[in-house]
Amino acid sequence: DAKTTQPTSMDCAEGRAANLPCNHSTISGNEYVYWYRQIHSQGPQYIIHGLKNNETNEMASLIITEDRKSSTLILPHATLRDTAVYYCIASNDYKLSFGAGTTVTVRA
Amino acid sequence: EPEVTQTPSHQVTQMGQEVILRCVPISNHLYFYWYRQILGQKVEFLVSFYNNEISEKSEIFDDQFSVERPDGSNFTLKIRSTKLEDSAMYFCASSATPRRGGGLEQYFGPGTRLTVT
Repeated sequence: DAKTTQPTSMDCAEGRAANLPCNHSTISGNEYVYWYRQIHSQGPQYIIHGLKNNETNEMASLIITEDRKSSTLILPHATLRDTAVYYCIASNDYKLSFGAGTTVTVRA
Repeated sequence: EPEVTQTPSHQVTQMGQEVILRCVPISNHLYFYWYRQILGQKVEFLVSFYNNEISEKSEIFDDQFSVERPDGSNFTLKIRSTKLEDSAMYFCASSATPRRGGGLEQYFGPGTRLTVT
């Protein structure tokens, strides 16, 4: 799996959009970009994934650059319950390699 | 909404004892996984399982570990002779078949906290 780089932490104001960047400059053509989050010590929660095109679901939007070397996860209206560690993972198989992720703190 | 369940939520065992961690994946899913997370560390992949056999395993998943799908609903992780360093949160996950667009999202259970004393 390609290595991903994320900021260690970021703060976000409640009600505002949270934009979480991820670099994956060595991603290969068949690797998907997955985003998961982990709230406290709960099991990781799937958010969204994509290959080339931008994706949106009820939780978030995923913007992947044209060269696929980076992506941004957008939480459109962050709430206090979105406080979590967010993981960006590049993978082409059934194994997920979690890094340290970005600790996102949503503040009232 | 369907979810992955795991039992027990917390297991305490003595070093050298065998433990079995149990998982009930989402019912129509075909791919099953175990991960672990030592306190304060990253989530680590252990093993993936498909069509009644291991499809991939990590270096952590040595001969002390085994997985089984004993019936149509359960998926188990057995640690034969536990060590202190096996203390961790163990997460089970499952996936359906790949979507038409590709990719395979995994749905995780709440975890079993294993404490080896």
